[in-house]
Amino acid sequence: KQEVTQIPAALSVPEGENLVLNCSFTDSAIYNLQWFRQDPGKGLTSLLLIQSSQREQTSGRLNASLDKSSGRSTLYIAASQPGDSATYLCAALNAGGTSYGKLTFGQGTILTVHP
Amino acid sequence: DAGVIQSPRHEVTEMGQEVTLRCKPISGHNSLFWYRQTMMRGLELLIYFNNNVPIDDSGMPEDRFSAKMPNASFSTLKIQPSEPRDSAVYFCASSWAGFPRGEAFFGQGTRLTVV
Repeated sequence: KQEVTQIPAALSVPEGENLVLNCSFTDSAIYNLQWFRQDPGKGLTSLLLIQSSQREQTSGRLNASLDKSSGRSTLYIAASQPGDSATYLCAALNAGGTSYGKLTFGQGTILTVHP
Repeated sequence: DAGVIQSPRHEVTEMGQEVTLRCKPISGHNSLFWYRQTMMRGLELLIYFNNNVPIDDSGMPEDRFSAKMPNASFSTLKIQPSEPRDSAVYFCASSWAGFPRGEAFFGQGTRLTVV
C-alpha cells in the first residue's frame, strides 16, 4: 500500500527566503507526482505535475523535482512571499499493486511566510 | 472549461437524513475521484472511477455510503442515513487516465455538517 509522507508538517519563514518542502513515497511504481496548494476553506489548486519519466518541472518561482528510485520529491519555492502562505500537498498516482490508479496524498506542509 | 463543479457548496442536515453530493467532471476526463477531508484524517480517498466504472471503493467507510457515475459528465455520492461523524468537506476530482496520465483537478468541495 502506497504511503506518502511530507516533511516538515509546518514551516514559518520570513519573506524573501528560499525554501524546500519534502515529500516521500514508499512505492516507486507511480505514473506521476503532483503538487497542490490549498488555501484555508478552499479546494486544491494544482501547482506542478511531474511524470515518472521526468526529473523536474518549473513554473515561475516553483521548481519540483522527482527521484523515483529513492521515492522522493521536493518543491522549491524561491523568494517566498506572504501570498505563498497555504498548505502544500503532494500526491502520487500509483501505477501498480493494491493502490493501482489511486491518487495518494501526504498530510501536507503548512507554510507561513511573514512580512 | 469551468473546471470540476460540485454542488451543493454547503449542506447542513439532521442525523438520519439522506444526503446527496453531486459532481460534474471536466469534459474529456475519464477518471473521477471522491475524497473526504477532515482535520484529523486529512484527505481520504473514498472511491474512484475509470470510464464511469468504479475501480476501487475500499475507502468507502461503510454501507451507508454509495457512489454512482451514470455517465461521463455526472457522479453522485450518497450518504444514507447520515451521522454527525460524516461531517467533513467532500471533494471531487477528475483527470485524464490515458497516456501519459494527466493532472488531477479538484472541485471547490461540499462542506457537510450533520447535526
